[in-house]
Amino acid sequence: DGGITQSPKYLFRKEGQNVTLSCEQNLNHDAMYWYRQDPGQGLRLIYYSQIVNDFQKGDIAEGYSVSREKKESFPLTVTSAQKNPTAFYLCASSPDRAYGYTFGSGTRLTVV
Amino acid sequence: GIQVEQSPPDLILQEGANSTLRCNFSDSVNNLQWFHQNPWGQLINLFYIPSGTKQNGRLSATTVATERYSLLYISSSQTTDSGVYFCAVQTGGFKTIFGAGTRLFVKA
Repeated sequence: DGGITQSPKYLFRKEGQNVTLSCEQNLNHDAMYWYRQDPGQGLRLIYYSQIVNDFQKGDIAEGYSVSREKKESFPLTVTSAQKNPTAFYLCASSPDRAYGYTFGSGTRLTVV
Repeated sequence: GIQVEQSPPDLILQEGANSTLRCNFSDSVNNLQWFHQNPWGQLINLFYIPSGTKQNGRLSATTVATERYSLLYISSSQTTDSGVYFCAVQTGGFKTIFGAGTRLFVKA
């Protein structure tokens, strides 16, 4: 079945460490996205990528980095520069701008 | 940038009741979607509805683009309808703006 896989589901990080969240899709979608969700809040866009080897900052990109070396993969690195990284991270993809999103099941990151 | 406002922010229903969720947006949009986030965090696309009316079982949605609002109707609510309902819009390009959501709890 086609879909988006995020891993791991739960992740614990010590302060000062970088951590990478995985997002893989087999839907053959061109566009991929990373969102952050804080408790009781909506989704805020971190980064998005329209095509391989290209990506753009969203509304809250500071302290995060991404790469898009393959169409299927869009990993997100949460760096030590992100001051409040504890949140729920959601990856999504879409065929192009005209169609709706498919979301992964998310990664809950906790800084300990 | 465009503002997306959802109402009500919280809603408690008795099983079997009907409800209407509203999404207002401050500018013209190319696309509008409704999502349901279940208690485990999974987001499911309910409707892709930039204009007009669509129905899927007990759920239906209407978007009046000229008046900048969309409505999501839930009929004969069930406990499995609980969760958060998000409205999300696109004004062009790939960026999608999400509202803050309506948190629904359906009591048995």
